[in-house]
Amino acid sequence: GAGVSQSPRYKVTKRGQDVALRCDPISGHVSLYWYRQALGQGPEFLTYFNYEAQQDKSGLPNDRFSAERPEGSISTLTIQRTEQRDSAMYRCASSLDGGGYTFGSGTRLTVV
Amino acid sequence: DAKTTQPPSMDCAEGRAANLPCNHSTISGNEYVYWYRQIHSQGPQYIIHGLKNNETNEMASLIITEDRKSSTLILPHATLRDTAVYYCIVMSKAAGNKLTFGGGTRVLVKP
Repeated sequence: GAGVSQSPRYKVTKRGQDVALRCDPISGHVSLYWYRQALGQGPEFLTYFNYEAQQDKSGLPNDRFSAERPEGSISTLTIQRTEQRDSAMYRCASSLDGGGYTFGSGTRLTVV
Repeated sequence: DAKTTQPPSMDCAEGRAANLPCNHSTISGNEYVYWYRQIHSQGPQYIIHGLKNNETNEMASLIITEDRKSSTLILPHATLRDTAVYYCIVMSKAAGNKLTFGGGTRVLVKP
């Protein structure tokens, strides 16, 4: 597509439920990145992929967070047993060659 | 990645040039300087990047000092739509192209 697409735009979930956030990068982009952004803060790195390989997951807060990109295109960020502190904007970005990123509009996650 | 230091905020008059400073005194030879901005609740937007030469594109100019320890992003004719948080980031492509966002500079363009 023309841009990075994320779905859903908004997700409200009850504490303890699992959520899956989807990112559809720009076609042909090799690298895909996940970030989390709290209100009033800059984006915080979570993990990234080159093609289908997860290159760095050092930013994932704990083992409830995981991500995959099985065919080197669409990626899913999964949060298990959600907690209120997981509430944030989750942003995905893609890059053709590791240079300038294009970010999606994000998924606003609210855990109640 | 090297750390950057930016002023937390600055005001700019509409139609005037906005000069946004960034210090990155610990930058290493293979690290690039990237600038992004984030307008309100939108995703960050790539502006420009450079290694050691000055760069210009349709959005802005990037001036990097000869010792590479600081840089300045120049918005030549600021408009109200340039009001945003501007992030200066130092990134090593060899280290995985991971962008680490700091606090940025909150720029307010006033009429």
